[in-house]
Amino acid sequence: KAGVTQTPRYLIKTRGQQVTLSCSPISGHRSVSWYQQTPGQGLQFLFEYFSETQRNKGNFPGRFSGRQFSNSRSEMNVSTLELGDSALYLCASSLDGIVEETQYFGPGTRLLVL
Amino acid sequence: AQSVAQPEDQVNVAEGNPLTVKCTYSVSGNPYLFWYVQYPNRGLQFLLKYITGDNLVKGSYGFEAEFNKSQTSFHLKKPSALVSDSALYFCAVRHLIKAAGNKLTFGGGTRVLVKP
Repeated sequence: KAGVTQTPRYLIKTRGQQVTLSCSPISGHRSVSWYQQTPGQGLQFLFEYFSETQRNKGNFPGRFSGRQFSNSRSEMNVSTLELGDSALYLCASSLDGIVEETQYFGPGTRLLVL
Repeated sequence: AQSVAQPEDQVNVAEGNPLTVKCTYSVSGNPYLFWYVQYPNRGLQFLLKYITGDNLVKGSYGFEAEFNKSQTSFHLKKPSALVSDSALYFCAVRHLIKAAGNKLTFGGGTRVLVKP
């Protein structure tokens, strides 16, 4: 099976712009989670989607949003970009999103905000 | 609150020597513990997990981890390290944050450097 894919792999934006990142989970996986990785804050949970519904959200401002489509693909959007949004954004998928399952990660999208 | 601590920012080891990466956790309820490895410019790669059962868990690439409930630890080990094991290692705990849904909480990561 193909792994989790994320597009694009790299992005450069300027402050104030918005950005949309895409994630395609492993085939058959219905749960998709997003994480932000920065040198200062480490890995932080953004949100989790299951069957097109957001089940949980981390402690991020409303500028961060996401959605999931009927084929389980997910997108996250960041509006009004700030310099501090520069990070590696990782998507992870699991079969049904239950707590015992392994989450499999994609390669990430590296976002640089100038 | 759930938390994971990796007390060492970096671990240096000579190739062929045993490798240990430390992890302690704090959770309410049963812990579901995971180890991931990250190579430069890559995502996280799953190594192993503890859900229940045997305290010694075997995973990919010769890695294993020992769950110790009394010490709330889940240390990652490899009997004989390879230069290719040089990477960033993350310990994580997965827990319910409400009736449905869950998330991974990660430790700060430990950089492993294996010298030839």
